[in-house]
Amino acid sequence: EAGVTQSPTHLIKTRGQQATLRCSPISGHTSVYWYQQALGLGLQFLLWYDEGEERNRGNFPPRFSGRQFPNYSSELNVNALELEDSALYLCASSLASQPQHFGDGTRLSIL
Amino acid sequence: AQSVTQLDSQVPVFEEAPVELRCNYSSSVSVYLFWYVQYPNQGLQLLLKYLSGSTLVKGINGFEAEFNKSQTSFHLRKPSVHISDTAEYFCAVSEGRRGSYIPTFGRGTSLIVHP
Repeated sequence: EAGVTQSPTHLIKTRGQQATLRCSPISGHTSVYWYQQALGLGLQFLLWYDEGEERNRGNFPPRFSGRQFPNYSSELNVNALELEDSALYLCASSLASQPQHFGDGTRLSIL
Repeated sequence: AQSVTQLDSQVPVFEEAPVELRCNYSSSVSVYLFWYVQYPNQGLQLLLKYLSGSTLVKGINGFEAEFNKSQTSFHLRKPSVHISDTAEYFCAVSEGRRGSYIPTFGRGTSLIVHP
């Protein structure tokens, strides 16, 4: 069974640009979660999608947005990038209330 | 609201020694509890989970954890660690009811196993 896959592995952008990160969940999982893991701050919850709908979002500005497609894959978009957006972005998937399974993340670096 | 405190940011230990990584949580409702491990340049892998039932939970790689409701703790233990256990460990808690499944993670404990 393929795990959660994220692309790209690394992404380098400059301030003000826009970034798009992608996630494919485990087959059969309908929920996708996005987290930001910045150095020293642990995992911060960003967004939760289930059955194509945004179910909840964390305490992040509106320039962090995303969507979930009919095949349950998901995109995270970050507009107007700032230096502090540099982090590892992790995607996780789950089925209903079962534990989450994580991808290996996208390392976003802002120059 | 729920919160998780991992009391130690770093735990150094020698190979084959026992280890305990501490986790305390706060929540006003019943909870699900998890421990995850993160190896360098990888995502998080589920070590073990407590959903209900026996308070002693056994996970992968020889780890176990005990849910203590009165002390609101969920400490992770291993009787004998290996070099390969060197990693970051995260404790997480979520409310035990459908529709609220967004775990809150602790800041992590770095386990460093020395030869």
